Amino acid sequence: GNSVTQMEGPVTLSEEAFLTINCTYTATGYPSLFWYVQYPGEGLQLLLKATKADDKGSNKGFEATYRKETTSFHLEKGSVQVSDSAVYFCALREGNKLVFGAGTILRVKS
Amino acid sequence: DTGVSQDPRHKITKRGQNVTFRCDPISEHNRLYWYRQTLGQGPEFLTYFQNEAQLEKSRLLSDRFSAERPKGSFSTLEIQRTEQGDSAMYLCASSLDRDEQFFGPGTRLTVL
Repeated sequence: GNSVTQMEGPVTLSEEAFLTINCTYTATGYPSLFWYVQYPGEGLQLLLKATKADDKGSNKGFEATYRKETTSFHLEKGSVQVSDSAVYFCALREGNKLVFGAGTILRVKS
Repeated sequence: DTGVSQDPRHKITKRGQNVTFRCDPISEHNRLYWYRQTLGQGPEFLTYFQNEAQLEKSRLLSDRFSAERPKGSFSTLEIQRTEQGDSAMYLCASSLDRDEQFFGPGTRLTVL
């Protein structure tokens, strides 16, 4: 079956640092790809998505580009804030369901 | 609040007891999904409904688990004869067709 692998956390950064969270996938075909974020005490929220190769998803300063050559969808942000502290999940669509990675904890220090 | 809601938010039960969780999706959404999330892992798909029809079930959904969506609106997930391994966060999501899935806050189950 399809699968998603994320870099292990926690990732700890100082405010205004550059963020990269790596995500690679294994899939047949070219599934839609997603990043979800889970803030403390809250439900999962869609952060961004890309539906085909070379698409770039972006939202709230975060970006990720669908790279079919490297089967990757790395999440980046140029300058993180304390409020970005959360758990980030990479996911792909497999039929009618989402397949998630294990999640990466991000901690941003002021 | 028009988001996905789940009840209860927390449930503590003893091994062997039955538990039932409820999910109320966003009202115009025709699809409803159940996922399970254990500590340090991402959500894993359990089952999905389109309107009142349960169209897909994961192998994770053992015969102790049953889900219903009787009128195509709210859904219930029942676990019979709970085991300690059932302890997890149970997440519900809804969508309009294959559009974005919106997640509820989850029900955290602890089996003692």
